[in-house]
Formats: sequence, C-alpha cells, structure tokens
Amino acid sequence: EAGVTQFPSHSVIEKGQTVTLRCDPISGHDNLYWYRRVMGKEIKFLLHFVKESKQDESGMPNNRFLAERTGGTYSTLKVQPAELEDSGVYFCASSRQVLDEQFFGPGTRLTVL
Amino acid sequence: GENVEQHPSTLSVQEGDSAVIKCTYSDSASNYFPWYKQELGKGPQLIIDIRSNVGEKKDQRIAVTLNKTAKHFSLHITETQPEDSAVYFCAASSSRMDSSYKLIFGSGTRLLVRP
Repeated sequence: EAGVTQFPSHSVIEKGQTVTLRCDPISGHDNLYWYRRVMGKEIKFLLHFVKESKQDESGMPNNRFLAERTGGTYSTLKVQPAELEDSGVYFCASSRQVLDEQFFGPGTRLTVL
Repeated sequence: GENVEQHPSTLSVQEGDSAVIKCTYSDSASNYFPWYKQELGKGPQLIIDIRSNVGEKKDQRIAVTLNKTAKHFSLHITETQPEDSAVYFCAASSSRMDSSYKLIFGSGTRLLVRP
C-alpha cells in the first residue's frame, strides 16, 4: 500500500508570490489533515477534510490560505500571497476512519524569502 | 486553549540505557495519545499509542503510560540503540463531536543515542 505523498518536497519562493502544495492520501482514506511545523516548534493543525468536505478549518491562520479537496481524493493547499512567517514544513496526514491512526506524508518544506 | 507540553526538548543517552519523555495535556476531554518518531527527511511515523481506557501499553522496547488524573503521559524506551536517534512527538486528541479528532502536538524531543 502506497503511503501519503506530498509534492513538492521543497519550495523556495519570494514574499508575495503564490505557492500550491499537493497531498495524495492513502487510497480509501476519507480523512485528510493538513498540519504545519514552523521554526522547530510544535506541529500545528490546520484543517481536516472528510471526503471533499471541510470538517474543521479552525487552524487555518488567515484567508491567505486556501485548501481544497475536489472529488475527495487529493488535496491542495494554496498560499496567496505568501509571507515570511509562512515558512515551515507542511505535513499532510490521512486516516480511514476519524479515530484511526493518522499516516503522515514526508512534508513540504516551504521557504519564503 | 488546548495545549500539550513536552519535556525534555533534547535528550542524550548512552546506548543500552533507557530514555523517558514526558508530556502533559490541558484538555480533559482528550482520550487518545499517540507518539510519533520523525527521522531526518521523513514525516512523523506512529510508534505507539494509548487510549484513555488503559493506563499502560507496551510494544517490545517501547512503552507508554497514562495518568488521566494528572493529565500526563510518558514514553519509555529501554535498551536504546543508535537507530532510536530521532525527534519524538507526543500528541493528544479528543473524540468529541466538535473536535475534528485533530492531533495537538508537543514541541518534540530530539533523542540522541550515543554508541
């Protein structure tokens, strides 16, 4: 069974530019989560999809962040326009049921200059 | 708000010794406590978890204990090996209907096992 994949693995952009991160969950996993780790701090929750619906987006920092999961398969997280404080590692995780183990992808390291 | 504190931030042990990492949580509704290991260049990987209906769980050299009254849980690694070197994260989650089952993470512990 293939794990959670994320693309790209690294992204370096300038302040004000737009970046789109992609996550492909494990096949059959209805639950998809986005998390972020900034500057060696704790990993923080951003939002949770159940299939294509946003179950909880309480962790999204502001309206510069837009997450989508069209068709309930892969998900994208767009940052527009990017700010310096958006730098960090963005993780995606998926689970079959909400109470099941969350499997994490390798992350996308975003650097905003 | 919901918070998980993790200590220590770094831990260096001699190969063969034990390592203990401790976490406390604030949300009394938390009932699921996973531990993740993150190696360089990889995402966090679950190594053990415990639910609130048990006080201890063991899997070979790894064990986790939970004290719900005190709201703290700990990871114990015995007979440490160099390949145990990594960053370890504790987390807590609640199955309340309004919680989304999101994981609240501690800040991580960098474990170094010296050969």
